[in-house]
Amino acid sequence: EIVLTQSPGTLSLSPGERAALSCRASQTVSRNYLAWYQQKPGQAPRRLIYGASSGATDIPDRFTGSGSGTDFTLTISRLEPEDFAVYYCQQYGSSPYTFGQGTKLEIK
Amino acid sequence: EVQLVESGGGLVQPGGSLRLSCAASGFTFSTYWMSWVRQAPGKGLEWVAYIAQDGSRRYYVDSLKGRFIISRDNANNSLFLQMNSLRAEDTAVYYCARSGYSSSWEPHEFDYWGQGTLVTVSS
Repeated sequence: EIVLTQSPGTLSLSPGERAALSCRASQTVSRNYLAWYQQKPGQAPRRLIYGASSGATDIPDRFTGSGSGTDFTLTISRLEPEDFAVYYCQQYGSSPYTFGQGTKLEIK
Repeated sequence: EVQLVESGGGLVQPGGSLRLSCAASGFTFSTYWMSWVRQAPGKGLEWVAYIAQDGSRRYYVDSLKGRFIISRDNANNSLFLQMNSLRAEDTAVYYCARSGYSSSWEPHEFDYWGQGTLVTVSS
């Protein structure tokens, strides 16, 4: 089983700042099948990034994904008030299709 | 518009069973892998199971194998999760989710999610 470790657990930033969220895998993620999701309280997750770096439809350009192998990053170039939420990475290269434990992005 | 609507959640006693349903609309259901993902209160996401387009392949998280069964009815655009021998730790919101590619030979990330149905296991 591939274990995904996200860091930091909580990130406190202000609107307008840049955020970098990390997702590290215990083994190589096959074909860089790594996705990022955003979840707000009381809502279902929303896909942001798939294939490590491909942006989902209707996702703002300020969200970018990068990385390969075992190290991946979600970058939010300039935080908007609606970006404060919990973010999860997930690998779907091999079963079981595991999630990271999440990074909470909070307003400083 | 893609819609996934879960139902069947509720309060069940430990050791009991429950069957969740997910009604899909707005896309060709029979061409997509489908999945269940759960989230315990205040916790992170946990993938539960995946089923291929024709039901011929099913994958489960190891910890649930033998207790949970995923199935589908393509004629009625429905996904199911049969949950048996329920335990307190199965208490969670259960989401139905669609894989990101049509007609793929393997599952992908989740591009659409339902709003979830809450399962509470308690005496």
